[in-house]
Amino acid sequence: EAGVTQFPSHSVIEKGQTVTLRCDPISGHDNLYWYRRVMGKEIKFLLHFVKESKQDESGMPNNRFLAERTGGTYSTLKVQPAELEDSGVYFCASSRGDLNYGYTFGSGTRLTVV
Amino acid sequence: AQSVTQLGSHVSVSEGALVLLRCNYSSSVPPYLFWYVQYPNQGLQLLLKYTSAATLVKGINGFEAEFKKSETSFHLTKPSAHMSDAAEYFCAVSRPRSGGYNKLIFGAGTRLAVHP
Repeated sequence: EAGVTQFPSHSVIEKGQTVTLRCDPISGHDNLYWYRRVMGKEIKFLLHFVKESKQDESGMPNNRFLAERTGGTYSTLKVQPAELEDSGVYFCASSRGDLNYGYTFGSGTRLTVV
Repeated sequence: AQSVTQLGSHVSVSEGALVLLRCNYSSSVPPYLFWYVQYPNQGLQLLLKYTSAATLVKGINGFEAEFKKSETSFHLTKPSAHMSDAAEYFCAVSRPRSGGYNKLIFGAGTRLAVHP
């Protein structure tokens, strides 16, 4: 079984530019989650998809962040325009059900905004 | 509100020594509790989880954790550290919401160093 795939693994962009992160979940996993870790801080929940629907987006920091999940398959997280404080590692995870089933995390995308 | 406190951002042990990573949580309802590990350049990997069954939970790589409700703790232990255990460890809590247990609240992480 292929794991959760995220790309790019690293991205360096200038303040004000746009960046799109992509996550390919494990096939058959309806649940998809985005988390991020800003340098030196805790890993924080951003949002949760069930198939193509946003189940919980309470962790999205502001309207510069837009998450989509086309057809309930892969997901993208767009940051537009990027700010310095957006730098960090963005993790994606997927699961068949809730945490009773466990998540599988991707390796993350390290975003640096300069 | 839920929160997780990991005591010690850095822990250093000798190879063969006991590993003890501390985690305390707060939750108004019975939580699910987790330990994840992150090795360099890799994603988060589940070590073990407590989901209201046995209070002593055994995980992968010889790790175990005990849920102590009276102390609101879920400390992670391993009897004998190995060099390959060097990584960052995260404690996390989840509580039920509509649709089940979905959202994880993480602690700040503890970086474990193992020296010869």
